[in-house]
Amino acid sequence: DAGVTQSPTHLIKTRGQHVTLRCSPISGHKSVSWYQQVLGQGPQFIFQYYEKEERGRGNFPDRFSARQFPNYSSELNVNALLLGDSALYLCASSFDPGQGGGTSGNTQYFGPGTRLTVL
Amino acid sequence: AQSVTQLGSHVSVSEGALVLLRCNYSSSVPPYLFWYVQYPNQGLQLLLKYTSAATLVKGINGFEAEFKKSETSFHLTKPSAHMSDAAEYFCAVSQGTSYDKVIFGPGTSLSVIP
Repeated sequence: DAGVTQSPTHLIKTRGQHVTLRCSPISGHKSVSWYQQVLGQGPQFIFQYYEKEERGRGNFPDRFSARQFPNYSSELNVNALLLGDSALYLCASSFDPGQGGGTSGNTQYFGPGTRLTVL
Repeated sequence: AQSVTQLGSHVSVSEGALVLLRCNYSSSVPPYLFWYVQYPNQGLQLLLKYTSAATLVKGINGFEAEFKKSETSFHLTKPSAHMSDAAEYFCAVSQGTSYDKVIFGPGTSLSVIP
């Protein structure tokens, strides 16, 4: 079975530009989360989407946005890129039974990431 | 607020020696705890997960971790290190909210000396 896939694998942009990163979850997973991993640090939570709705958001500026499509794939958009946005962007999917308002503690399976370099 | 600390940003062990990677967490509610491994230029792979079913959790590749509530610790061990274990290891915690926000520690880089 295919795991989480992300595209592109590498991307180089200049300051002020816009970028779109894409993620396809594991088949059957309805939840997608995005993380930013700056070199030498642990991943930082950006968003979680479930059934096309934003379920949670980390401490990131409004320049970061995301959406989830009917096939559960997801896009992460970053506007007005800054040098500090250079990082590995990781997508993770999880099988969430969606009981009531949702459940936590579901195992997240990560993709290989997109390496974004902002010059 | 939840947080995760990992003592030792870099750990070196000899091949065949015991691996011990330390993790302490803070959480106001019973947490879910994870260990992930990251090889160079790759994403994160789940090693094991604590869900309160058992305090000693066995994972893949011979790794295991023990949950100690009194010490708020979840240390990762492996009896005998292999060269292939050289990687970055992250401890992580997920709180009991309505969504899966996972808080990661800063990571420990494991080197294995032949």
